[in-house]
This record gives sequence, C-alpha cells and structure tokens, in this order.
Amino acid sequence: DAMVIQNPRYQVTQFGKPVTLSCSQTLNHNVMYWYQQKSSQAPKLLFHYYDKDFNNEADTPDNFQSRRPNTSFCFLDIRSPGLGDAAMYLCATSSSNEQFFGPGTRLTVL
Amino acid sequence: DAKTTQPNSMESNEEEPVHLPCNHSTISGTDYIHWYRQLPSQGPEYVIHGLTSNVNNRMASLAIAEDRKSSTLILHRATLRDAAVYYCILIWGGSNYKLTFGKGTLLTVNP
Repeated sequence: DAMVIQNPRYQVTQFGKPVTLSCSQTLNHNVMYWYQQKSSQAPKLLFHYYDKDFNNEADTPDNFQSRRPNTSFCFLDIRSPGLGDAAMYLCATSSSNEQFFGPGTRLTVL
Repeated sequence: DAKTTQPNSMESNEEEPVHLPCNHSTISGTDYIHWYRQLPSQGPEYVIHGLTSNVNNRMASLAIAEDRKSSTLILHRATLRDAAVYYCILIWGGSNYKLTFGKGTLLTVNP
C-alpha cells in the first residue's frame, strides 16, 4: 500500500546531541510537511517543501532544519535538542486536497 | 487563516449518530472547510472537506450552513473506532494546503 513511513517510531537523544528523524513516502506527492505535536496539544506546522522549495513557518526555531534530497525522502534535523523539544514529530504529504500523515516519531530528550 | 471554534469534548453512544459542530464566522469566500481526525497514538487522517454544498463520503457527511459561518460533521453510526480528536480547519483555496490545527473536539464513544 502507498504510504508515509517514519523511522524510527521512538527516538531517544541527549540534551544538545544532534538528532535526525526520517520520513519516506511511496505516494509520489510533491509536497511534504513536518509537524511538531507536544503532549495534549494539536499538531503545529514547522515547515514544508513544495518539490524542492523549502517553506519555513515564521515561528519555527532555528534549531530545526530540514532536507529533502529527492521526492521520496525528507529529514528533520534538530541541531541541539532541548528538553522542550520532546514531542511527537509527524511527517505528512499531499498532492492537492488531502494530507496523508505518517505514524509519527516520538522524541525523548534526556 | 480564519479561526474555527469547536466544543472541547463530546460524548456519544455506539451505533448512534454524532453531530460535531464547528463555527467559523470569519470564513472568507475562498476558504474550504476541512475535517481531520486523530485517533489515539496515530497521525491525523483526512475525513472530508467542502466549500458550499453538503458533502458525503464513506466516512462521514459534512453539512455546511447557507451563510457558511458554521458546519457540522456527521458520523451516521458511531463506533468505538471513531473515538478521536476531530479538527475543523479552514484552508484558503490559493494556499499550499497548509493545516493550522485548533484544539479540536475530543469525541468519546460509549459502548
């Protein structure tokens, strides 16, 4: 089945240690998104790619970066994770009127 | 993006219809009304969307008020699997389809 895959599902990192979360898709969609969802809160958009064009949300911290080497893959890099960055990170794709979400990666920062 | 207002929580019984309201009094003419839901420990999933006319699909129905200032998501027969947070989101027709999630409505379905 066509889908959005996120690896790993659970990630533990140490305070200040860079971490990369991965997302891949088999839907061949041109738009990919990264959301952050903290406990008991709604998902919050960090940035998105329209093909190779990167679009950062105004309030996304500089600590968060992203790469999209090709249509299928997108990465979220957190350069120096703080305790406040512990959250579920959701990847999504879309082609027109619907977003397809992956299962998320739960990040723990020790 | 125009804002939406939803009740924090609602409760329903299994196999009964559920009507989830959403107010969007500042909606503009080009805003589409989208509904997503998020089941526990999962990513959100698309439910339905519309612009002016009522819409039906295999998951739900969307009833849109004539003045478009409110809408209602209708689950015709709630199941335990429908227990989730339901989000009503307005999306400008000319945007890159970005979702701005509000707090949503937590739906509890009783057996």
